[in-house]
Amino acid sequence: SQKIEQNSEALNIQEGKTATLTCNYTNYSPAYLQWYRQDPGRGPVFLLLIRENEKEKRKERLKVTFDTTLKQSLFHITASQPADSATYLCALGSNYKLTFGKGTLLTVNP
Amino acid sequence: SAVISQKPSRDICQRGTSLTIQCQVDSQVTMMFWYRQQPGQSLTLIATANQGSEATYESGFVIDKFPISRPNLTFSTLTVSNMSPEDSSIYLCSVDTGQEETQYFGPGTRLLVL
Repeated sequence: SQKIEQNSEALNIQEGKTATLTCNYTNYSPAYLQWYRQDPGRGPVFLLLIRENEKEKRKERLKVTFDTTLKQSLFHITASQPADSATYLCALGSNYKLTFGKGTLLTVNP
Repeated sequence: SAVISQKPSRDICQRGTSLTIQCQVDSQVTMMFWYRQQPGQSLTLIATANQGSEATYESGFVIDKFPISRPNLTFSTLTVSNMSPEDSSIYLCSVDTGQEETQYFGPGTRLLVL
């Protein structure tokens, strides 16, 4: 069965450092992969999409990589800020359907 | 983008009862989805709400337990029927506007079944 693993349930880093979150998957061939941010008590908010034929995407301080051979995506937040503290969800997509990982709770300490 | 509202935002219900959750979008969209997010678990797709036809349910979810309506392109309801404590969860609706397969989520409905 399909399985998505996000490297850790929680990640703590110091302000200004780069946060790196990992998403690994098995038994799946997604057409695209997305990252969402979810704050407590709110629905997920879309951040980035990367397609199966793309290696890297950037948006401001965010960068995502996608390795379909390793079946892995890395999500980077550079120059992290306390306001980046949230749960980040990885989602694999195909035909408009998304399968989500459990998420990683990122805490950026001032 | 799309702005989505859900009602109610939260509720506490007795086992054996049913609750209907409403999802309203500020623009017409083709695709609407219903998810469940149980404590400590990932978002799980319940069904795709199809306008003018029956919803398409994912494995493990059935229409008798989670009936869905989609009367038009801006509105959908999800009913959680004959509830048990195991149905305690956050229920979220989302829409795909057809732009880059991006989904926009509502704020969720927090359901506690006693």
